[in-house]
Amino acid sequence: KQEVTQIPAALSVPEGENLVLNCSFTDSAIYNLQWFRQDPGKGLTSLLLIQSSQREQTSGRLNASLDKSSGRSTLYIAASQPGDSATYLCAVRRDGATNKLIFGTGTLLAVQP
Amino acid sequence: KAGVTQTPRYLIKTRGQQVTLSCSPISGHRSVSWYQQTPGQGLQFLFEYFSETQRNKGNFPGRFSGRQFSNSRSEMNVSTLELGDSALYLCASSFSGSAEEKLFFGSGTQLSVL
Repeated sequence: KQEVTQIPAALSVPEGENLVLNCSFTDSAIYNLQWFRQDPGKGLTSLLLIQSSQREQTSGRLNASLDKSSGRSTLYIAASQPGDSATYLCAVRRDGATNKLIFGTGTLLAVQP
Repeated sequence: KAGVTQTPRYLIKTRGQQVTLSCSPISGHRSVSWYQQTPGQGLQFLFEYFSETQRNKGNFPGRFSGRQFSNSRSEMNVSTLELGDSALYLCASSFSGSAEEKLFFGSGTQLSVL
């Protein structure tokens, strides 16, 4: 059974700092991995989608990497801003025939002004 | 372009009642998925629909059901509500249901069961 874990569960950093969020999955046979952010009481906003054949994806100040063999993904946020404060979730797709995502436990990020 | 729209935004019900939640996907999207989010269990997959057909179902009791209409709008129904059904219910859509596409989520329906 696929299990997805995110460490740390919570993180507080001062504005301007670069930071890394971690995502681990137990079964390396994934189709792709997606990173989301969730603001309090809101839905999820898709950030980056990495296919299993890719090593990384970039969007603005965000960079996500994927190492399938070790069961890990990281989300790098450069020059963090208070507006980045949110819960960050990673999710894996097991195969290409479904939109069923298995979500991680989430990292609550607080960027202090 | 409007995003995924879920109604109602908040709902309060009592045990034993039933509830219907609605989801309108992004225009042109034909795939709709439903997820339940609780503080204890996190986000869990409920079911997925594409072109009015259920493609996949999560590990939830039969009290949870759904359907999709010809215009791609979807509804989910929970019968005989239990306290543990209190959760944020999220709907997500994608264009063709391909696993290579991003999922776009709505803001959710917050269900409280008293």
